[in-house]
Amino acid sequence: RKEVEQDPGPFNVPEGATVAFNCTYSNSASQSFFWYRQDCRKEPKLLMSVYSSGNEDGRFTAQLNRASQYISLLIRDSKLSDSATYLCVVNMGTRADGLTFGKGTHLIIQP
Amino acid sequence: GAVVSQHPSRVICKSGTSVKIECRSLDFQATTMFWYRQFPKQSLMLMATSNEGSKATYEQGVEKDKFLINHASLTLSTLTVTSAHPEDSSFYICSGWDQQKETQYFGPGTRLLVL
Repeated sequence: RKEVEQDPGPFNVPEGATVAFNCTYSNSASQSFFWYRQDCRKEPKLLMSVYSSGNEDGRFTAQLNRASQYISLLIRDSKLSDSATYLCVVNMGTRADGLTFGKGTHLIIQP
Repeated sequence: GAVVSQHPSRVICKSGTSVKIECRSLDFQATTMFWYRQFPKQSLMLMATSNEGSKATYEQGVEKDKFLINHASLTLSTLTVTSAHPEDSSFYICSGWDQQKETQYFGPGTRLLVL
């Protein structure tokens, strides 16, 4: 079983719509959770950390369900510039340890 | 956010040669740096963890004699791909751990093509 699993997509979504991604992780001892965004042929950039209480940053909302070992990302009022690959990332040790990445979910926002 | 640079950004080399990639933290001290690799349409995979002044810790399946890592200062780690082969062609990305901000910052990556 893969350590971090995501639906690769692509998700084709009209501009202005709301889109949600889920991700599951296998290691119940995982400590920290993140969503990263990766544009084509670029390095990943941190979008937001994910906390058990859920957190929101503008149009983006992330939630963590430790019991079910899944993480979600919701994007509201999607923009063309949101088109990218969204990586679910888990830190299975301390925050100073290396990260485990999912393969990513490819999102295409259509005008 | 903090800045991590990598050099070179792109390299093409012949099979059998060695390639050195530099990773620098420009505005923070990184006691720990990480090296990742990403093949096309695959996820980033952690290759090794590099701690300043000590030997790197390699992930399972990564040959330490092929991927030499040196972390001689708090702002510089190098990855040398020795005797590179076409299957080593990949996107190599480093990151630095900022202890103060408890955040890992990624470099822009180095695209290696071995002919």
